[in-house]
Amino acid sequence: SQTIHQWPATLVQPVGSPLSLECTVEGTSNPNLYWYRQAAGRGLQLLFYSVGIGQISSEVPQNLSASRPQDRQFILSSKKLLLSDSGFYLCAWSLTTRGHNEKLFFGSGTQLSVL
Amino acid sequence: AQSVTQPDIHITVSEGASLELRCNYSYGATPYLFWYVQSPGQGLQLLLKYFSGDTLVQGIKGFEAEFKRSQSSFNLRKPSVHWSDAAEYFCAVGTAGSNYKLTFGKGTLLTVNP
Repeated sequence: SQTIHQWPATLVQPVGSPLSLECTVEGTSNPNLYWYRQAAGRGLQLLFYSVGIGQISSEVPQNLSASRPQDRQFILSSKKLLLSDSGFYLCAWSLTTRGHNEKLFFGSGTQLSVL
Repeated sequence: AQSVTQPDIHITVSEGASLELRCNYSYGATPYLFWYVQSPGQGLQLLLKYFSGDTLVQGIKGFEAEFKRSQSSFNLRKPSVHWSDAAEYFCAVGTAGSNYKLTFGKGTLLTVNP
Protein backbone atom coordinates (compact mmCIF):
# COMPACT_ATOMS: atom_id res chain seq x y z
CA SER A 1 0.00 0.00 0.00
CA GLN A 2 1.03 3.56 -0.52
CA THR A 3 2.08 5.84 2.31
CA ILE A 4 3.21 9.42 2.54
CA HIS A 5 5.56 10.69 5.20
CA GLN A 6 5.96 14.33 6.04
CA TRP A 7 8.17 15.82 8.73
CA PRO A 8 8.56 17.50 11.07
CA ALA A 9 5.05 17.74 12.49
CA THR A 10 5.72 21.12 14.09
CA LEU A 11 8.46 23.66 13.62
CA VAL A 12 9.19 27.01 15.20
CA GLN A 13 11.73 29.12 13.35
CA PRO A 14 12.96 32.71 13.71
CA VAL A 15 12.50 35.21 10.93
CA GLY A 16 15.38 35.07 8.49
CA SER A 17 16.29 31.45 9.21
CA PRO A 18 16.32 28.76 6.53
CA LEU A 19 13.66 26.10 6.07
CA SER A 20 13.62 22.55 4.84
CA LEU A 21 10.51 20.38 4.93
CA GLU A 22 10.69 16.91 3.54
CA CYS A 23 8.07 14.60 2.12
CA THR A 24 8.48 11.06 0.87
CA VAL A 25 6.04 8.66 -0.71
CA GLU A 26 6.27 4.89 -0.57
CA GLY A 27 4.54 2.16 -2.48
CA THR A 28 4.12 3.88 -5.81
CA SER A 29 6.21 5.07 -8.72
CA ASN A 30 6.33 8.36 -10.60
CA PRO A 31 3.70 10.11 -8.51
CA ASN A 32 2.69 13.70 -8.99
CA LEU A 33 3.81 15.58 -5.89
CA TYR A 34 2.43 18.76 -4.36
CA TRP A 35 3.07 21.28 -1.63
CA TYR A 36 0.04 23.12 -0.29
CA ARG A 37 -0.10 25.78 2.41
CA GLN A 38 -3.07 26.35 4.63
CA ALA A 39 -3.02 29.76 6.30
CA ALA A 40 -5.59 30.59 8.94
CA GLY A 41 -8.90 31.49 7.34
CA ARG A 42 -7.54 31.23 3.82
CA GLY A 43 -8.09 27.64 2.82
CA LEU A 44 -5.59 25.61 0.87
CA GLN A 45 -3.19 27.25 -1.53
CA LEU A 46 -1.16 25.26 -4.03
CA LEU A 47 2.49 26.28 -3.84
CA PHE A 48 4.33 23.81 -6.06
CA TYR A 49 3.70 20.66 -8.00
CA SER A 50 5.97 18.21 -9.72
CA VAL A 51 5.26 15.59 -12.36
CA GLY A 52 8.75 14.10 -12.35
CA ILE A 53 12.29 14.28 -11.02
CA GLY A 54 13.67 17.78 -11.40
CA GLN A 55 10.37 19.12 -12.79
CA ILE A 56 8.89 21.79 -10.55
CA SER A 57 6.03 24.14 -11.30
CA SER A 58 5.48 27.14 -9.07
CA GLU A 59 2.00 28.48 -8.57
CA VAL A 60 2.63 31.45 -6.32
CA PRO A 61 5.61 33.84 -6.38
CA GLN A 62 7.26 33.84 -2.96
CA ASN A 63 10.50 33.21 -1.16
CA LEU A 64 9.90 29.47 -1.06
CA SER A 65 11.33 26.89 -3.45
CA ALA A 66 10.82 23.20 -4.02
CA SER A 67 13.01 20.41 -5.28
CA ARG A 68 12.52 16.81 -6.26
CA PRO A 69 15.87 15.06 -6.07
CA GLN A 70 14.35 11.58 -6.24
CA ASP A 71 11.19 10.12 -7.70
CA ARG A 72 9.38 9.92 -4.38
CA GLN A 73 10.98 12.77 -2.48
CA PHE A 74 9.76 16.34 -2.45
CA ILE A 75 11.43 19.11 -0.46
CA LEU A 76 10.18 22.57 0.39
CA SER A 77 12.84 25.13 1.21
CA SER A 78 13.48 28.72 2.00
CA LYS A 79 16.72 30.62 2.45
CA LYS A 80 15.16 33.25 4.72
CA LEU A 81 11.79 32.81 6.34
CA LEU A 82 9.28 35.64 6.64
CA LEU A 83 6.56 36.04 9.22
CA SER A 84 4.02 35.51 6.45
CA ASP A 85 5.41 32.03 5.83
CA SER A 86 3.72 30.76 8.97
CA GLY A 87 1.04 28.21 8.26
CA PHE A 88 0.18 24.57 7.93
CA TYR A 89 2.07 22.92 5.08
CA LEU A 90 0.71 19.84 3.44
CA CYS A 91 2.45 17.51 1.07
CA ALA A 92 0.32 15.41 -1.25
CA TRP A 93 0.69 12.92 -4.05
CA SER A 94 -1.48 11.62 -6.83
CA LEU A 95 -1.34 9.38 -9.85
CA THR A 96 -2.60 10.37 -13.25
CA THR A 97 -4.81 7.63 -14.62
CA ARG A 98 -7.16 7.77 -17.59
CA GLY A 99 -5.91 11.27 -18.26
CA HIS A 100 -6.73 12.87 -14.93
CA ASN A 101 -5.80 12.81 -11.29
CA GLU A 102 -7.89 10.32 -9.39
CA LYS A 103 -7.44 12.06 -6.07
CA LEU A 104 -4.85 13.59 -3.82
CA PHE A 105 -3.41 11.71 -0.87
CA PHE A 106 -2.29 14.11 1.82
CA GLY A 107 0.40 13.85 4.44
CA SER A 108 -0.33 14.76 8.04
CA GLY A 109 1.10 18.24 7.66
CA THR A 110 3.74 20.49 9.24
CA GLN A 111 2.69 23.38 11.42
CA LEU A 112 5.27 26.12 10.85
CA SER A 113 5.44 29.11 13.15
CA VAL A 114 7.80 31.89 12.18
CA LEU A 115 8.54 34.22 15.08
CA ALA B 1 -9.48 29.47 -14.31
CA GLN B 2 -11.64 27.38 -12.05
CA SER B 3 -12.73 28.52 -8.61
CA VAL B 4 -14.61 27.11 -5.65
CA THR B 5 -16.82 28.90 -3.14
CA GLN B 6 -17.90 27.49 0.18
CA PRO B 7 -20.35 30.12 1.44
CA ASP B 8 -20.46 28.91 5.04
CA ILE B 9 -17.33 29.46 7.09
CA HIS B 10 -18.72 27.81 10.22
CA ILE B 11 -21.75 25.59 10.79
CA THR B 12 -23.04 24.22 14.08
CA VAL B 13 -25.45 21.31 14.24
CA SER B 14 -26.73 19.04 16.96
CA GLU B 15 -25.72 15.42 17.03
CA GLY B 16 -28.27 13.36 15.11
CA ALA B 17 -29.39 16.28 12.98
CA SER B 18 -29.02 16.33 9.23
CA LEU B 19 -26.21 18.25 7.56
CA GLU B 20 -25.71 20.00 4.27
CA LEU B 21 -22.48 21.81 3.37
CA ARG B 22 -22.61 24.01 0.33
CA CYS B 23 -20.11 24.17 -2.49
CA ASN B 24 -20.32 26.17 -5.70
CA TYR B 25 -17.76 26.00 -8.45
CA SER B 26 -16.91 28.02 -11.50
CA TYR B 27 -15.65 26.24 -14.58
CA GLY B 28 -16.64 26.22 -18.22
CA ALA B 29 -16.72 22.47 -18.75
CA THR B 30 -17.57 19.42 -16.70
CA PRO B 31 -15.46 19.57 -13.56
CA TYR B 32 -14.01 16.86 -11.41
CA LEU B 33 -15.32 17.51 -7.90
CA PHE B 34 -14.06 16.38 -4.53
CA TRP B 35 -14.89 16.70 -0.87
CA TYR B 36 -12.12 16.35 1.70
CA VAL B 37 -12.30 16.34 5.49
CA GLN B 38 -9.59 17.56 7.83
CA SER B 39 -9.52 16.74 11.52
CA PRO B 40 -7.61 19.17 13.77
CA GLY B 41 -3.87 19.11 13.12
CA GLN B 42 -4.21 16.41 10.50
CA GLY B 43 -3.90 16.12 6.76
CA LEU B 44 -6.89 15.83 4.48
CA GLN B 45 -8.86 12.70 3.78
CA LEU B 46 -10.97 12.20 0.68
CA LEU B 47 -14.66 11.71 1.43
CA LEU B 48 -15.95 11.33 -2.11
CA LYS B 49 -15.41 12.43 -5.68
CA TYR B 50 -17.40 12.99 -8.85
CA PHE B 51 -15.99 12.54 -12.34
CA SER B 52 -18.97 11.53 -14.45
CA GLY B 53 -22.09 9.37 -14.47
CA ASP B 54 -24.55 9.29 -11.61
CA THR B 55 -24.80 12.76 -10.14
CA LEU B 56 -25.43 11.44 -6.63
CA VAL B 57 -22.16 10.20 -5.21
CA GLN B 58 -21.77 8.07 -2.11
CA GLY B 59 -18.69 8.47 0.03
CA ILE B 60 -17.18 7.20 3.22
CA LYS B 61 -18.54 7.77 6.73
CA GLY B 62 -22.12 7.99 5.48
CA PHE B 63 -21.61 11.14 3.40
CA GLU B 64 -23.06 11.79 -0.03
CA ALA B 65 -22.93 14.67 -2.47
CA GLU B 66 -25.00 15.66 -5.47
CA PHE B 67 -23.63 17.32 -8.59
CA LYS B 68 -26.08 19.84 -10.02
CA ARG B 69 -24.77 21.28 -13.25
CA SER B 70 -27.57 23.85 -13.56
CA GLN B 71 -26.64 25.30 -10.17
CA SER B 72 -22.88 24.74 -10.43
CA SER B 73 -23.09 23.07 -7.06
CA PHE B 74 -21.75 19.99 -5.32
CA ASN B 75 -23.28 20.04 -1.85
CA LEU B 76 -22.25 17.53 0.78
CA ARG B 77 -24.94 15.87 2.90
CA LYS B 78 -25.29 13.50 5.78
CA PRO B 79 -28.66 12.42 7.21
CA SER B 80 -27.51 12.10 10.83
CA VAL B 81 -24.38 13.77 12.15
CA HIS B 82 -22.15 12.12 14.73
CA TRP B 83 -19.91 13.97 17.18
CA SER B 84 -16.88 12.51 15.39
CA ASP B 85 -17.88 14.40 12.23
CA ALA B 86 -16.68 17.65 13.78
CA ALA B 87 -13.90 18.80 11.46
CA GLU B 88 -13.20 21.16 8.60
CA TYR B 89 -14.56 20.24 5.20
CA PHE B 90 -13.08 21.31 1.89
CA CYS B 91 -14.62 21.20 -1.53
CA ALA B 92 -12.24 21.05 -4.48
CA VAL B 93 -12.47 21.18 -8.26
CA GLY B 94 -10.12 19.71 -10.79
CA THR B 95 -10.30 19.98 -14.55
CA ALA B 96 -9.19 17.96 -17.52
CA GLY B 97 -7.14 20.92 -18.68
CA SER B 98 -5.18 21.05 -15.41
CA ASN B 99 -4.54 17.48 -14.57
CA TYR B 100 -2.01 18.21 -11.93
CA LYS B 101 -3.79 20.42 -9.48
CA LEU B 102 -6.97 20.87 -7.56
CA THR B 103 -8.44 24.21 -6.54
CA PHE B 104 -9.82 24.16 -3.03
CA GLY B 105 -12.49 26.21 -1.33
CA LYS B 106 -11.66 27.98 1.92
CA GLY B 107 -13.36 25.33 3.98
CA THR B 108 -16.35 24.99 6.29
CA LEU B 109 -15.75 24.30 9.94
CA LEU B 110 -18.35 21.95 11.40
CA THR B 111 -19.12 21.96 15.11
CA VAL B 112 -21.34 19.24 16.52
CA ASN B 113 -23.22 19.90 19.74
CA PRO B 114 -24.15 16.99 22.00
